Amino acid sequence: AQSVSQHNHHVILSEAASLELGCNYSYGGTVNLFWYVQYPGQHLQLLLKYFSGDPLVKGIKGFEAEFIKSKFSFNLRKPSVQWSDTAEYFCAVTFSGGYNKLIFGAGTRLAVHP
Amino acid sequence: NAGVTQTPKFQVLKTGQSMTLQCAQDMNHNSMYWYRQDPGMGLRLIYYSASEGTTDKGEVPNGYNVSRLNKREFSLRLESAAPSQTSVYFCASSLNTDYEQYFGPGTRLTVT
Repeated sequence: AQSVSQHNHHVILSEAASLELGCNYSYGGTVNLFWYVQYPGQHLQLLLKYFSGDPLVKGIKGFEAEFIKSKFSFNLRKPSVQWSDTAEYFCAVTFSGGYNKLIFGAGTRLAVHP
Repeated sequence: NAGVTQTPKFQVLKTGQSMTLQCAQDMNHNSMYWYRQDPGMGLRLIYYSASEGTTDKGEVPNGYNVSRLNKREFSLRLESAAPSQTSVYFCASSLNTDYEQYFGPGTRLTVT
């Protein structure tokens, strides 16, 4: 079955630290890739997406992600986190073939301490 | 634009009771979805509607039914609620199934 794995369930950082959240998927075909963020008490918002083209994608709020096809990975990065980045981050993938169901990873809770 | 709206925001049910969760979008999207979010499990698709007039099962459809009332509205019905359905329910919509999804604020449901 198609699946999405997020390596870390909880991450704790100090402000100004660099962030990298891992995401791997199980499928070798055509995929569309997304990172969503859920701030405390809020709904999911799209951070960035990759459909095709440049594998380094820039999103909102200084986030970026790199698609590495050979590693089935789409890791999220930010050079310097802020307290306001405290949230839960979800990687999601649609797999080609029929309806493009969006499969979510289990999420990573990020806590940034001032 | 309000985006995706959901009602109610909170609901407490007793086991065996029924209820309908409402969802509407004003972005003229063709596709709509219902998810449930449980701790440590991410979001799981319950049902979706790729376009007006069609609905299909997702990953966890048991115990739920849906109605795509028109292009704007997509409701989720629990016919006989069970404690295992305690969860946060999110509605989402997208232009088509290939595109990014936009989420509503969620409904927190507790079944006792």
